[in-house]
Amino acid sequence: GAVVSQHPSWVICKSGTSVKIECRSLDFQATTMFWYRQFPKQSLMLMATSNEGSKATYEQGVEKDKFLINHASLTLSTLTVTSAHPEDSSFYICSARESVGDMNSPLHFGNGTRLTVT
Amino acid sequence: LAKTTQPISMDSYEGQEVNITCSHNNIATNDYITWYQQFPSQGPRFIIQGYKTKVTNEVASLFIPADRKSSTLSLPRVSLSDTAVYYCLVGDSGTGGFKTIFGAGTRLFVKA
Repeated sequence: GAVVSQHPSWVICKSGTSVKIECRSLDFQATTMFWYRQFPKQSLMLMATSNEGSKATYEQGVEKDKFLINHASLTLSTLTVTSAHPEDSSFYICSARESVGDMNSPLHFGNGTRLTVT
Repeated sequence: LAKTTQPISMDSYEGQEVNITCSHNNIATNDYITWYQQFPSQGPRFIIQGYKTKVTNEVASLFIPADRKSSTLSLPRVSLSDTAVYYCLVGDSGTGGFKTIFGAGTRLFVKA
């Protein structure tokens, strides 16, 4: 089946530094990927939609200059948390749809990245 | 926006059948209903998807009434390893294009 790989699985960084998270579709091409953030005991919150070859679409309240998204190829999207602060500590998850053009096809999720900012 | 409502939590015992119902009163004509399972510190995993009536796969069944305003995920003979959060999702064609919005989910706790 379709596999989405996310790297790293966890990262600890110091306040003020930037962290890059990679999301790869291993056996399919994904023109669109989604980035979510999840705090403990809460549901996933959609941050942005990553579009291959164009700008990402951010959800209301998500700072585009803080959460930089790059989708340079059909199999790779990256999320960079810039100037990270402790409140950015969270679980970040990416997903992609296998079937291009079929908006109802199931999403495949990465295993998430646990970010801790000290 | 299509919104879903599920029970916050459910308890069950090993070997029992568990039914989790989700309400989605504003589901659009073209929307499918998809259920995901999430374990702690992992990404969600696809369980089952349906449009109407009944769908069954090797792990679950999905029952959808004719009006499609609700759906029920049925897990037969649950085990301890089925303890997880279960999310019901419907399509959501927002202004930013199609995207998938998660509701609060149902936290299922299976006891021995």
